[in-house]
Amino acid sequence: QKEVEQDPGPLSVPEGAIVSLNCTYSNSAFQYFMWYRQYSRKGPELLMYTYSSGNKEDGRFTAQVDKSSKYISLFIRDSQPSDSATYLCAMSVGSYGGSQGNLIFGKGTKLSVKP
Amino acid sequence: NAGVMQNPRHLVRRRGQEARLRCSPMKGHSHVYWYRQLPEEGLKFMVYLQKENIIDESGMPKERFSAEFPKEGPSILRIQQVVRGDSAAYFCASRESNQPQHFGDGTRLSIL
Repeated sequence: QKEVEQDPGPLSVPEGAIVSLNCTYSNSAFQYFMWYRQYSRKGPELLMYTYSSGNKEDGRFTAQVDKSSKYISLFIRDSQPSDSATYLCAMSVGSYGGSQGNLIFGKGTKLSVKP
Repeated sequence: NAGVMQNPRHLVRRRGQEARLRCSPMKGHSHVYWYRQLPEEGLKFMVYLQKENIIDESGMPKERFSAEFPKEGPSILRIQQVVRGDSAAYFCASRESNQPQHFGDGTRLSIL
């Protein structure tokens, strides 16, 4: 079983739709959870980061962490064509500042938002 | 405020040659990570460095690969005697204390 599972898609939605992206994980020691967006031929761009369980909202983006189910989600409201990219979940055991801060990534979900 | 800078963006090497990938972290960041992204695969951690020290190299192959982050200058990921399987995108990330990692745009290494 992989440490982090993420459906690769592709996921295609119409402009304005609500998008739900998810990851599951097996290591209960993960405490820090991040979502990155990666455009083609570019590096991952940090979108959201959270510690432990709960919700966090930033503009059109909401990140949710359910540690009891080992499940994290990213919601995108009012999706735009510019949101078309690959979305990567990432998590780590230690804090960002700790020696266990190296990130474990999902394979990424490719999202396409059609005008 | 410049982000993480990686160069070259594209690097072509023949089998058996050496590849040197450079990473300049964001200003004020003293922690550097290297990741490798193979086609259709997620990013995989390779090595974590602070200035002049390797903190964690558990993801880096024992043979042919080395990394450094000197007191002055960029971090370097060095691959000796490259093979076809080394073809990948190599990403560098940096952070300051207790903050998440920020990534560069990567170096795409192609082995002929």
